[in-house]
Amino acid sequence: ETGVTQSPTHLIKTRGQQVTLRCSSQSGHNTVSWYQQALGQGPQFIFQYYREEENGRGNFPPRFSGLQFPNYSSELNVNALELDDSALYLCASSLAKEGSGTQYFGPGTRLLVL
Amino acid sequence: EDKVVQSPLSLVVHEGDTVTLNCSYEVTNFRSLLWYKQEKKAPTFLFMLTSSGIEKKSGRLSSILDKKELFSILNITATQTGDSAIYLCAEVRDDMRFGAGTRLTVKP
Repeated sequence: ETGVTQSPTHLIKTRGQQVTLRCSSQSGHNTVSWYQQALGQGPQFIFQYYREEENGRGNFPPRFSGLQFPNYSSELNVNALELDDSALYLCASSLAKEGSGTQYFGPGTRLLVL
Repeated sequence: EDKVVQSPLSLVVHEGDTVTLNCSYEVTNFRSLLWYKQEKKAPTFLFMLTSSGIEKKSGRLSSILDKKELFSILNITATQTGDSAIYLCAEVRDDMRFGAGTRLTVKP
């Protein structure tokens, strides 16, 4: 167990809907990264938050947005859901802003878009 | 776009066999290379490699990095059924870029 928790564990939505996924980072970690993992693929970097500010972003459209709170927990919001958004969404927490530190992953939220 | 490429994509072995998993990367602002084991959902950390030629070892698992040739290998000796998982490598730069993983199946 890494101490990183995510909710919900599973979620079913329909196209066009919006979804919010939540992540609580490991105690003492100030950096949270979000990843999308489609079936049979490695995790793809969505974005990273460091001390409540976005610190880097992967190749994802603006309808993927996030927040980090003062307690370093984080949310991933996805608007206008598409079928291809169906995936496992992982968050990972770490101490290092630049990503050079080891990241500890949560159990993920499996999202299915119908 | 720079890529992290893992091979083989899948591997089936029997208990007791030794396996070598490969990971190649294309350096841009390289900081480190990480190996993870993913059994169900959350990838769990195995190794972080930053220097060439220095083997990291944990029990039956070991890993080494070659920064000149831009690759890393993960070795598992005397495999057990519990080693069955997807093994991911990731290049750490300003972000983390994962390979597609190697799915290892260890049969009794």
